[in-house]
Amino acid sequence: QVQLVQSGAEVKKPGASVKVSCKASGYTFTSYGISWVRQAPGQGLEWMGWISAYNGNTNYAQKLQGRVTMTTDTSTSTAYMELRSLRSDDTAVYYCGAGRGLPDYWGQGTLVTVSS
Amino acid sequence: DVVMTQSPLSLPVTLGQPASISCRSSQSLVHSDGNTYLNWFQQRPGQSPRRLIYKVSNRDSGVPDRFSGSGSGTDFTLKISRVEAEDVGVYYCMQGTHWPLTFGGGTKVEIK
Repeated sequence: QVQLVQSGAEVKKPGASVKVSCKASGYTFTSYGISWVRQAPGQGLEWMGWISAYNGNTNYAQKLQGRVTMTTDTSTSTAYMELRSLRSDDTAVYYCGAGRGLPDYWGQGTLVTVSS
Repeated sequence: DVVMTQSPLSLPVTLGQPASISCRSSQSLVHSDGNTYLNWFQQRPGQSPRRLIYKVSNRDSGVPDRFSGSGSGTDFTLKISRVEAEDVGVYYCMQGTHWPLTFGGGTKVEIK
């Protein structure tokens, strides 16, 4: 069965960077892309971007352009999302999701807290 | 960007009664390949989202048949025929036809 296992919770100071990982199993990694979605406390879901695990093509949300980078490592079936210049409003649970476009399968989420 | 508008925001339902959630998009979700990429997700309290319905009306494996999706173009509906206690949570529609992908704001289903 498809499983996505994400890295653990992070606490960062404003201005720092965070890199969250998402290790996939149970399917051929290059068959799906990986979406990243975040959820601020008590809020709804926000799509951050998508990366093709097949060729590395990316599509990022406009509001995060320049601050976010999504990558994949096909040798370990792992996707990464790096967010730079963190602000307090980046505090959220970050999810990865595997799918051809829309996320069909979801990771367990990674809480990133940005606080001075 | 395609705006996804869900209603209602909150839906108190009596156990065993039906529930219906509307999702409207600001433009047609029919893709040039003929498919309509509209999914429904359930997020129970404290859990990750889980896909229930894909491409408007296809129920995922393991999803009870009391859940059904319908609609076309810009107007979509998720129905629960008889609400059970385990259905409490927030339901989101999401479109995958146009970049950037966008979510509806969510509908919170709770038991009266």
